[in-house]
Amino acid sequence: GNSVTQMEGPVTLSEEAFLTINCTYTATGYPSLFWYVQYPGEGLQLLLKATKADDKGSNKGFEATYRKETTSFHLEKGSVQVSDSAVYFCALVDLTGGGNKLTFGTGTQLKVEL
Amino acid sequence: DAGVTQSPTHLIKTRGQHVTLRCSPISGHKSVSWYQQVLGQGPQFIFQYYEKEERGRGNFPDRFSARQFPNYSSELNVNALLLGDSALYLCASSPGEGRRNTIYFGEGSWLTVV
Repeated sequence: GNSVTQMEGPVTLSEEAFLTINCTYTATGYPSLFWYVQYPGEGLQLLLKATKADDKGSNKGFEATYRKETTSFHLEKGSVQVSDSAVYFCALVDLTGGGNKLTFGTGTQLKVEL
Repeated sequence: DAGVTQSPTHLIKTRGQHVTLRCSPISGHKSVSWYQQVLGQGPQFIFQYYEKEERGRGNFPDRFSARQFPNYSSELNVNALLLGDSALYLCASSPGEGRRNTIYFGEGSWLTVV
């Protein structure tokens, strides 16, 4: 079946440091890939997405490139801020049998310190 | 425009009771999905509805049921509540189906079973 594997957290960085959160996936066909962010006590917010190989999703300084050859969708940001502290989820859309089922990774907690 | 709205936001139930959670999708969205997020884990797919038809069901017991109404809003029902049903229940909507659809989440309903 489909699956998403993320690096375990927590990831602790100093403000202005470079961020990478690794995400790899297993899927049949050609899934769309997403990064969602969850702030404490809140629901999920879409951060960025990519729908085909070599697409780059970007938003709020975050970027991720859909790499079909390595089945990866790593999240990067050049300079993190304290306000980026949250849990980040990598996910793919599973269209097996139709529908919009999202398969999520376990999440990576990011803590940014001054 | 309003996003995905869910009610109630927090509730406490006793083991064995029944709960109904409600969701209103973004205006114009015809697909609604439900996810369960246990503390510290990624969301798990429960159901997806499109045009009032069930399009997908996750690995949850028959105590979980859902439906979608003509106005595309949805209800998730859970019978015979167990302590393990304590979680954040997330509703998500999208315009339709297909890998290019973006899926948006509500803030969730926090269910505590005591």
